[in-house]
Amino acid sequence: EAGVAQSPRYKIIEKRQSVAFWCNPISGHATLYWYQQILGQGPKLLIQFQNNGVVDDSQLPKDRFSAERLKGVDSTLKIQPAKLEDSAVYLCASSRGYSNQPQHFGDGTRLSIL
Amino acid sequence: LAKTTQPISMDSYEGQEVNITCSHNNIATNDYITWYQQFPSQGPRFIIQGYKTKVTNEVASLFIPADRKSSTLSLPRVSLSDTAVYYCLVGEGNQGGKLIFGQGTELSVKP
Repeated sequence: EAGVAQSPRYKIIEKRQSVAFWCNPISGHATLYWYQQILGQGPKLLIQFQNNGVVDDSQLPKDRFSAERLKGVDSTLKIQPAKLEDSAVYLCASSRGYSNQPQHFGDGTRLSIL
Repeated sequence: LAKTTQPISMDSYEGQEVNITCSHNNIATNDYITWYQQFPSQGPRFIIQGYKTKVTNEVASLFIPADRKSSTLSLPRVSLSDTAVYYCLVGEGNQGGKLIFGQGTELSVKP
């Protein structure tokens, strides 16, 4: 089966600009996750969708970050305006079900803020 | 939330068996234990998952004692390509699969 697709692979922007990332999960996977991974750290969950509904967004900085999953398939994560501390890799993952299901990760988008 | 503790780094040589132990003292009754592997510039990759006793697949074994307060990932006969960061996670089964990644164990395999 095809894996989780993410784009772009790299993005460089200046602070205060906006940026968007796109994720296409594995076909049939109901649950979709966005993670932020800062260099040298483990991934941190930003938001979790079950189909097109938000299950957990407790760690999403809602003043600048937003995410949507239209029709329960593709998802976009947006940052507006970006700050220097947002420099990280943004990972998307998907899983078949809701709990204790292995997650399948994309290779992420590396964001650099100048 | 169940927190995990694992060694920050480990060294090994090709052909050896590597055991990485993870502590999760406050694991909940319905939590599973999952291990992921991550190479540079790639997303984490699922290795193995278990609930109790022993689980084995084509790449690794997972040993979980009866009290489930720790677990050990065993990699048989490692090669240079096993050099990666390994994450131990405890899943919150009653809250929809939310996983908390720790800092992971950086395994370095030498020739």
